Amino acid sequence: GAGVSQTPSNKVTEKGKYVELRCDPISGHTALYWYRQSLGQGPEFLIYFQGTGAADDSGLPNDRFFAVRPEGSVSTLKIQRTERGDSAVYLCASSLPGQGVTEQFFGPGTRLTVL
Amino acid sequence: DAKTTQPTSMDCAEGRAANLPCNHSTISGNEYVYWYRQIHSQGPQYIIHGLKNNETNEMASLIITEDRKSSTLILPHATLRDTAVYYCIVCGGSNYKLTFGKGTLLTVNP
Repeated sequence: GAGVSQTPSNKVTEKGKYVELRCDPISGHTALYWYRQSLGQGPEFLIYFQGTGAADDSGLPNDRFFAVRPEGSVSTLKIQRTERGDSAVYLCASSLPGQGVTEQFFGPGTRLTVL
Repeated sequence: DAKTTQPTSMDCAEGRAANLPCNHSTISGNEYVYWYRQIHSQGPQYIIHGLKNNETNEMASLIITEDRKSSTLILPHATLRDTAVYYCIVCGGSNYKLTFGKGTLLTVNP
């Protein structure tokens, strides 16, 4: 079956620009997560959605980062006024309701490069 | 969540068992041990998890010491496709945040 998909796979932008990264979770997965992975590091938690609401956004680094999931399925991570330090792979994951961390299914990620 | 310690890298011959250790000496009673792996240029993939009993699935076995302060992930017959970074994560059962360290880069050699 279809896994988690993320678009675009690569995004190159200039410092100061606005970007949107999209995540399509597995159908029926009500929990959705965003992580960020810098080169040579493990993924770092950003935000967790249960349904349409952000249950935990404590990992968002600052107010330039925002994520939405208006219909409880597709999610968009939005980054305003991008900085070179935002360059990373942004990973999305989803899981079944009530599964906690038992099994999060990850997408392939979006590689963001800020020039 | 408890901190984990893993070797930076390990090598294994193809067809042999790969044994990946993880120390989690500060694990608390309600925390699980999870293993994920990340093949180059892909997202992490769940492998297995356990609380205190040893666990086995189609991918691997997880051996947790009786005091729960360490564990070992065993890939019984490693293949070249098992070359990846393996992450050991300790997390409470109701928690949803995966806290990844740097993991162990396992290289399976022909």
